[in-house]
Amino acid sequence: DTAVSQTPKYLVTQMGNDKSIKCEQNLGHDTMYWYKQDSKKFLKIMFSYNNKELIINETVPNRFSPKSPDKAHLNLHINSLELGDSAVYFCASSERARGYTFGSGTRLTVV
Amino acid sequence: KNEVEQSPQNLTAQEGEFITINCSYSVGISALHWLQQHPGGGIVSLFMLSSGKKKHGRLIATINIQEKHSSLHITASHPRDSAVYICAVRSGNNDMRFGAGTRLTVKP
Repeated sequence: DTAVSQTPKYLVTQMGNDKSIKCEQNLGHDTMYWYKQDSKKFLKIMFSYNNKELIINETVPNRFSPKSPDKAHLNLHINSLELGDSAVYFCASSERARGYTFGSGTRLTVV
Repeated sequence: KNEVEQSPQNLTAQEGEFITINCSYSVGISALHWLQQHPGGGIVSLFMLSSGKKKHGRLIATINIQEKHSSLHITASHPRDSAVYICAVRSGNNDMRFGAGTRLTVKP
């Protein structure tokens, strides 16, 4: 059973569109995260949710919005996609003071 | 300057060699993580450290809190160890900062 699953794995879309990436974890972890990995393979945190509360929001454009319907899900909505949004987006989860479990990533290509 | 610096950036080794990857950080941390990213893109958490040393199979991770430095060692390296190894530090507010990664290639 996949512990942290993201869908879709690949997403190709045109500039200006709105898209969502879904993430689900079945580990019972209390915190979930979204990370962006750019073309230089540098990872950067975007958001984290702990018990439905946003506890980190780096300098991410407000076109990106996380939505957590429950503790096991953290979806990422992106409005008005831009070319610079092309990257691999990773979902992850963790339990306090323990290691992280990552999803397999979603490769977003904006054309 | 990045708050988390890794060295070397790239590393090529022959199978069987002992490998060391270094990580230095400049912020206060609650924990340090070593991650492995395979060519297919998936990320695996190898270690979480707040002090001392941990061992898992052929992998050993150490941290020196006073010196703000951690090392990841691989003994008897194997081509399947070829991957990007990423150091990440977590601060008290659960923020994570990542190093740029070390690309390891182990040749048979």
